[in-house]
Amino acid sequence: DTGVSQDPRHKITKRGQNVTFRCDPISEHNRLYWYRQTLGQGPEFLTYFQNEAQLEKSRLLSDRFSAERPKGSFSTLEIQRTEQGDSAMYLCASSLALGRELFFGEGSRLTVL
Amino acid sequence: DAKTTQPPSMDCAEGRAANLPCNHSTISGNEYVYWYRQIHSQGPQYIIHGLKNNETNEMASLIITEDRKSSTLILPHATLRDTAVYYCIVRVATNFGNEKLTFGTGTRLTIIP
Repeated sequence: DTGVSQDPRHKITKRGQNVTFRCDPISEHNRLYWYRQTLGQGPEFLTYFQNEAQLEKSRLLSDRFSAERPKGSFSTLEIQRTEQGDSAMYLCASSLALGRELFFGEGSRLTVL
Repeated sequence: DAKTTQPPSMDCAEGRAANLPCNHSTISGNEYVYWYRQIHSQGPQYIIHGLKNNETNEMASLIITEDRKSSTLILPHATLRDTAVYYCIVRVATNFGNEKLTFGTGTRLTIIP
């Protein structure tokens, strides 16, 4: 499968714990995005990378959230000191260039107890 | 960001054309209209996009009004697998070259056997 892959698909954690999600984009795509989706809502933009550079962050991305894309390939999204409000689906997407469609992964669902 | 308005839900009989409307009255001249859909528990899937002219691909047709204030996505022969939430999005290209997609709550399309 050469699509966008995300790991883990599901994560259940207790409040206050740290969690990390990984995204492997389509191999030739230099643009990578993270979105968050809560129940009944559309996805919301979190952050954007072009190669290894994080070029834009949403104000939704509090200081407990950090995203990296160290070699311009895979990316990680870490949430520190999780809160119940962090429970959501975290979606990763990649694209080849400006103006090209985004390809989304199937998401990582986080449940914070 | 230009906002879009879609009906929350629609039904369509299997084999018939599904016509999904979208209003985007505040769209700017250089902003594209994108359509994505999201089947339950999957990431969003790109369908089609356009600027001014009508567009057609293997999945759907996109009809944009002359004043660009509204558009219609047409699925010509709906099947049960087309049951999904359909998002109409006005794509904004930011100063960072980011194509930030602002999803609304979409239209939940149900195909009736």
